[in-house]
Amino acid sequence: DAKTTQPPSMDCAEGRAANLPCNHSTISGNEYVYWYRQIHSQGPQYIIHGLKNNETNEMASLIITEDRKSSTLILPHATLRDTAVYYCIVLNQGAQKLVFGQGTRLTINP
Amino acid sequence: GAVVSQHPSRVICKSGTSVKIECRSLDFQATTMFWYRQFPKQSLMLMATSNEGSKATYEQGVEKDKFLINHASLTLSTLTVTSAHPEDSSFYICSAIPRGPRKSGAFFGQGTRLTVV
Repeated sequence: DAKTTQPPSMDCAEGRAANLPCNHSTISGNEYVYWYRQIHSQGPQYIIHGLKNNETNEMASLIITEDRKSSTLILPHATLRDTAVYYCIVLNQGAQKLVFGQGTRLTINP
Repeated sequence: GAVVSQHPSRVICKSGTSVKIECRSLDFQATTMFWYRQFPKQSLMLMATSNEGSKATYEQGVEKDKFLINHASLTLSTLTVTSAHPEDSSFYICSAIPRGPRKSGAFFGQGTRLTVV
């Protein structure tokens, strides 16, 4: 599975949009981009995933560049409860095991 | 979303004893479950893949005789830490992927914090 690169930490003001970048320049055509987050002392939580089209659900939006070498997770109106470590993972659809990198520690400030 | 439950959420045991952690998928069947370990301020590290009705597949460096995994049904996998030592103290997390076409990612349990004294 392709490697991903994320900034180690980010800050965002409460109520503003949080935009979390992820680089995956070696992604192959059949690999999906998945996003998870882990709030302190809890198990990871699935957020969203996509292949090449932009995706939106009740939690977030996922914007994937046309060349698919990078993506951005957008939390449109961040709240204090969104403070967590966010993981971007590239995974072949047929594969099952998730391998976590270091992620981005997002802190939402009041 | 689907629910994965781990039990216990916290456990303290004496050095040399064994501890069993259960992972259950409450509202779906999972032929495959995964076990992770996480040390403070570090990312999750995959330990093993648990397959229903067959032997688990361990990641490199993980001792299979120390971390016994049993996946006896489509909704239950157990991890037993045998002869636990203080260095085994960690946050253990399981995950499961529902059978059938994947519409979402894996679902994770809430984790088990093991402290060996």
